[in-house]
Amino acid sequence: AQKVTQAQTEISVVEKEDVTLDCVYETRDTTYYLFWYKQPPSGELVFLIRRNSFDEQNEISGRYSWNFQKSTSSFNFTITASQVVDSAVYFCALGSGNTGKLIFGQGTTLQVKP
Amino acid sequence: EAEVAQSPRYKITEKSQAVAFWCDPISGHATLYWYRQILGQGPELLVQFQDESVVDDSQLPKDRFSAERLKGVDSTLKIQPAELGDSAMYLCASSPSWDTQYFGPGTRLTVL
Repeated sequence: AQKVTQAQTEISVVEKEDVTLDCVYETRDTTYYLFWYKQPPSGELVFLIRRNSFDEQNEISGRYSWNFQKSTSSFNFTITASQVVDSAVYFCALGSGNTGKLIFGQGTTLQVKP
Repeated sequence: EAEVAQSPRYKITEKSQAVAFWCDPISGHATLYWYRQILGQGPELLVQFQDESVVDDSQLPKDRFSAERLKGVDSTLKIQPAELGDSAMYLCASSPSWDTQYFGPGTRLTVL
């Protein structure tokens, strides 16, 4: 069965702190994709990153970085020097390589206080 | 930048009434998805279309929900009759193939 676990329900940090959001997944597929989406209070899901199962290279985009480790089935997301605008719900999702169907985690609510 | 359009953004209805949601995907995207997101949870797939054909509707409550994408472009999701438990955000997403999905703003449904 496919499953995504985001163990952190809520995280609260003070602006400029670094914060890491954890994501652990389960799948039997050999080809799959991993995603992070941001959902601000307006409700729209904003795409942040996609990784495929054959690419374990970590990625950095500005203040965002992602650590993909197949050995531990984890795809963690770090925000460096957090800002108030980063406050949102963040979802990790697992995509089937065969159908594209996404399985989402329960989400982590990040609150960044000024 | 092209976006997925959804309407209405908000819908309040009474139990047992019929409701319909509309989605217009990004032009050229063959795959269209409808998700339901209950408050405090992650989205769950209801139905997936490839052009006008249904690829996956295994989680769609077919006794009351229906979805169509007649010309392989825009899509309609209908609930009849609505129940209290249907209150949720209904999200539409589109994808050029089976990879990155781009989401619309969603329709927030409240059933009274």
